[in-house]
Amino acid sequence: GNSVTQMEGPVTLSEEAFLTINCTYTATGYPSLFWYVQYPGEGLQLLLKATKADDKGSNKGFEATYRKETTSFHLEKGSVQVSDSAVYFCALSDRTGGGNKLTFGTGTQLKVEL
Amino acid sequence: GAVVSQHPSRVICKSGTSVKIECRSLDFQATTMFWYRQFPKQSLMLMATSNEGSKATYEQGVEKDKFLINHASLTLSTLTVTSAHPEDSSFYICSAALRVSGSNQPQHFGDGTRLSIL
Repeated sequence: GNSVTQMEGPVTLSEEAFLTINCTYTATGYPSLFWYVQYPGEGLQLLLKATKADDKGSNKGFEATYRKETTSFHLEKGSVQVSDSAVYFCALSDRTGGGNKLTFGTGTQLKVEL
Repeated sequence: GAVVSQHPSRVICKSGTSVKIECRSLDFQATTMFWYRQFPKQSLMLMATSNEGSKATYEQGVEKDKFLINHASLTLSTLTVTSAHPEDSSFYICSAALRVSGSNQPQHFGDGTRLSIL
């Protein structure tokens, strides 16, 4: 079956530090990959996505590249801000069964301090 | 675009009460809606997938009679927690997606409902 493995948190960084949150996956077929962000007390927001190998998703300074050879989709940002503090979820969706069912990782909490 | 509204945002009620949560797609037609449950500091657990006009598909271990899902229109799905008990207290999140053949459309999430059963 499908699975997503994320690095455990919390990750605590100083403002303007470089961020990497690791994500690897196991899937049958050719999944689409996503990063979602959840701010305290809210639902999830789509941060970025990639639908095929070597695609790079990017948004708000965050980037992630779909690496089929290493089955990874690591999230990076060059300079984090306090406002980036949230929980980040890596997820995959495959076309099996024709649906959009998402498989989530366990989430990684990011805390950015001044 | 792609806004999903979930209501109410917070519910506190007595044990034995039934609670209805609404999920609306405001600016698109959602052929598929999903209901998740999230425990504190944990990931989202998919409870069921709901396609407009048909019965919901429940994940293994989720009680159909406990969590009633209705998806009567392309913009509205409801989750009713029947005879709620304290162990049903959780954060419930819905999402919606436009089903396009051969394509994975991203899910758009509501802001969640914090359910507390006393």
